[in-house]
Amino acid sequence: DAGVTQSPTHLIKTRGQQVTLRCSPKSGHDTVSWYQQALGQGPQFIFQYYEEEERQRGNFPDRFSGHQFPNYSSELNVNALLLGDSALYLCASSLRQDQETQYFGPGTRLLVL
Amino acid sequence: AQTVTQSQPEMSVQEAETVTLSCTYDTSENNYYLFWYKQPPSRQMILVIRQEAYKQQNATENRFSVNFQKAAKSFSLKISDSQLGDTAMYFCAFMNRGFYDMRFGAGTRLTVKP
Repeated sequence: DAGVTQSPTHLIKTRGQQVTLRCSPKSGHDTVSWYQQALGQGPQFIFQYYEEEERQRGNFPDRFSGHQFPNYSSELNVNALLLGDSALYLCASSLRQDQETQYFGPGTRLLVL
Repeated sequence: AQTVTQSQPEMSVQEAETVTLSCTYDTSENNYYLFWYKQPPSRQMILVIRQEAYKQQNATENRFSVNFQKAAKSFSLKISDSQLGDTAMYFCAFMNRGFYDMRFGAGTRLTVKP
């Protein structure tokens, strides 16, 4: 049973650039959530996607956008990168009828220089 | 504000002993879910245990159990017979029923010593 996978594992970008992170949900899951985890902190909710639409958004600027594809995989896009965007980006998947039980991927470590 | 507070940044315990991690939360909702997640150095977040707020009985999962005090908005995690593999960051989290944003605390770094 394939768990949640994310790519790439690490990424280095410079300020002002744009980045795309990818997530494949656990087999059978239809909902994907994205979190940002700064160093030494707990994860912060960015947004959740279900049926290819953003269902709820956390307190993040419009520079953060996402997409969900018909196969339920998802992308997180961040434009105009800032130094403060450096963090571990976690993807979590769940089932619509049990969205409280979220399975996390290993994350993508983004470093903005 | 809906927040989660973990007042113990770091804790340590001897192998085979018992340790309790503290968590308090603040929400105006009455129906919600509480969670403890473990994040080992490999960084993959793993669900340890979950509790539905409407259930009075404390959840247990093998060596892991919780003490849920709804009125006090407290949700502590007890790890019995600690093992070296329990060394990790532990995050307390909650999610209001009908919403999709899980709120996390800052975490407690637990070290199990041989």
